Amino acid sequence: DAGITQSPRHKVTETGTPVTLRCHQTENHRYMYWYRQDPGHGLRLIHYSYGVKDTDKGEVSDGYSVSRSKTEDFLLTLESATSSQTSVYFCAISVSRDRENTGELFFGEGSRLTVL
Amino acid sequence: AQKITQTQPGMFVQEKEAVTLDCTYDTSDPSYGLFWYKQPSSGEMIFLIYQGSYDQQNATEGRYSLNFQKARKSANLVISASQLGDSAMYFCAMREGPRGTGNQFYFGTGTSLTVIP
Repeated sequence: DAGITQSPRHKVTETGTPVTLRCHQTENHRYMYWYRQDPGHGLRLIHYSYGVKDTDKGEVSDGYSVSRSKTEDFLLTLESATSSQTSVYFCAISVSRDRENTGELFFGEGSRLTVL
Repeated sequence: AQKITQTQPGMFVQEKEAVTLDCTYDTSDPSYGLFWYKQPSSGEMIFLIYQGSYDQQNATEGRYSLNFQKARKSANLVISASQLGDSAMYFCAMREGPRGTGNQFYFGTGTSLTVIP
């Protein structure tokens, strides 16, 4: 197992409050990703990282920021949460396990965020 | 334009029958990877199968096979001998560019498969 832990797994918060989701991996993978999943939209990339302090925006990055100060941790921050950010958030890492050069994404368990 | 298109929001299949889930993709990059994931009601994302753009043969993994038609830019998932446990959401995804270059992955909107006893 690639060993990804997301925290918190569930959070309810109010509009305007800051929220930070944490993704922790135990195997030193270089590439880490944050996605959000919404009905009818599938998974959409928020931000990704290709190394410590190296991050880039995805297709739905507005309202989100990320940080990666250590290889093992990738943090997603909502500076001021809005109801439109109610979603399930998945962290993922790019791995290649049983097959050579596949580079599939391995996902965390997801974090369900509700913004009231 | 959508990178990944899944046109079947919902599908039903009889237990023990085969089912094909459609996926088309759009890229101009000659090097890419195609993936299928399963998401059961419990919510986790499970990797099923991979097809590289340069692979000559269709990928197979147990009861899963990927019908890769490069000229048509389609990567349909075929599940043979459906089981009740196959009921789930299925996502097609694409990685543009060769692995290891900080690629983005693009996902379709998913197909909900229900296996009927």
